[in-house]
Amino acid sequence: GESVGLHLPTLSVQEGDNSIINCAYSNSASDYFIWYKQESGKGPQFIIDIRSNMDKRQGQRVTVLLNKTVKHLSLQIAATQPGDSAVYFCAEATRYNFNKFYFGSGTKLNVKP
Amino acid sequence: AAGVIQSPRHLIKEKRETATLKCYPIPRHDTVYWYQQGPGQDPQFLISFYEKMQSDKGSIPDRFSAQQFSDYHSELNMSSLELGDSALYFCASSDSGTSGSYEQYFGPGTRLTVT
Repeated sequence: GESVGLHLPTLSVQEGDNSIINCAYSNSASDYFIWYKQESGKGPQFIIDIRSNMDKRQGQRVTVLLNKTVKHLSLQIAATQPGDSAVYFCAEATRYNFNKFYFGSGTKLNVKP
Repeated sequence: AAGVIQSPRHLIKEKRETATLKCYPIPRHDTVYWYQQGPGQDPQFLISFYEKMQSDKGSIPDRFSAQQFSDYHSELNMSSLELGDSALYFCASSDSGTSGSYEQYFGPGTRLTVT
């Protein structure tokens, strides 16, 4: 199967700081990448996505960076807030099927007030 | 806006029993996905349906089956339950890219506990 993983299982940041969550993938056919946020007891919530023809995409307080050379993507959260505390998953889909997501292991983000 | 609805939210079953989980996708979404998430783990894709036909299959045990009905709701049937089946089961739906986005919208999940 596909392989998507994360470098850091837990990340603690101070409120107001920027957070960076990393993700690595191994499939060169990966063409579509998505970040999800999952709060305790809830379903994953879409944050932002990026296609492989882009290096960077920005949303509200979030930026996703994609480095295809080293098969790495990151999620940057600006001015992290307590409400950002959650588990963050990256997922990827290959160019053959954008509807089949492979999730990586989550990173738990703890925001300290 | 309407979201994905799952029922029941919590389910307790004994080993070897059967369970049926239901999912009601967002209106006008044509694709339904089922995921299993163990404690502290990432969601694992089980199976998906597009326009009532199975479209993809993941790591779904043979003891599990699923279908999508004419009203687009889906049911995941689980038989001969094992302790290891205890997990959160998520349903997600999408419009399979028709809108230009492939985002999958997740429901709140069904927490299945097998004792």
